[in-house]
Amino acid sequence: AQSVAQPEDQVKVAEGNPLTVKCTYSVSGNPYLFWYVQYPNRGLQFLLKYITGDNLVKGSYGFEAEFNKSQTSFHLKKPSALVSDSALYFCAVRDSYYGNNRLAFGKGNQVVVIP
Amino acid sequence: DTGVSQNPRHKITKRGQNVTFRCDPISEHNRLYWYRQTLGQGPEFLTYFQNEAQLEKSRLLSDRFSAERPKGSFSTLEIQRTEQGDSAMYLCASSEQGTDTQYFGPGTRLTVL
Repeated sequence: AQSVAQPEDQVKVAEGNPLTVKCTYSVSGNPYLFWYVQYPNRGLQFLLKYITGDNLVKGSYGFEAEFNKSQTSFHLKKPSALVSDSALYFCAVRDSYYGNNRLAFGKGNQVVVIP
Repeated sequence: DTGVSQNPRHKITKRGQNVTFRCDPISEHNRLYWYRQTLGQGPEFLTYFQNEAQLEKSRLLSDRFSAERPKGSFSTLEIQRTEQGDSAMYLCASSEQGTDTQYFGPGTRLTVL
């Protein structure tokens, strides 16, 4: 089975401060990990992914995430948050065994960046 | 715009009616996925196509739900005898074989009265 936990419902941060959105995962094999962002009444927009290689991955809009195998985590980070980063963020995982194509998503984290 | 498109964007229907949604994937993508998202939750996988073949189906996909991708391009998702519990956002995604990133469309929001 594959699953993701996003432990905080809401993350509030002041504009210009660092932003961290937490994600832990559970898979049987090797994880493929993703972050998506969703704006109101819109679909999901891809931010970044970890498949293999360097544990620190960089994505769109200044976001990055660090894969930590021992802690089974893939936290999303941005050094300096913008008001326009306010949105719903989803972490997703796919177990890498052959024939598995479904993503398992967390509940999402509402990020609020205060001006 | 060459992204994933979905129609209609919104659908309101009465309980017991049938509805059909359409998804047009990114043109070079041979893989297509349907997900359902309810309020306050992340998307849940429904089904997956590679070209015209439906290769995976979730247990969420009851016998009232059917999905097709007849020519390996666009896909339709039909819900028969809709129930209030079917009210949700239905998301379509596509990906290219050999890559792992699924790109999502804007979704179809279904409201069953």
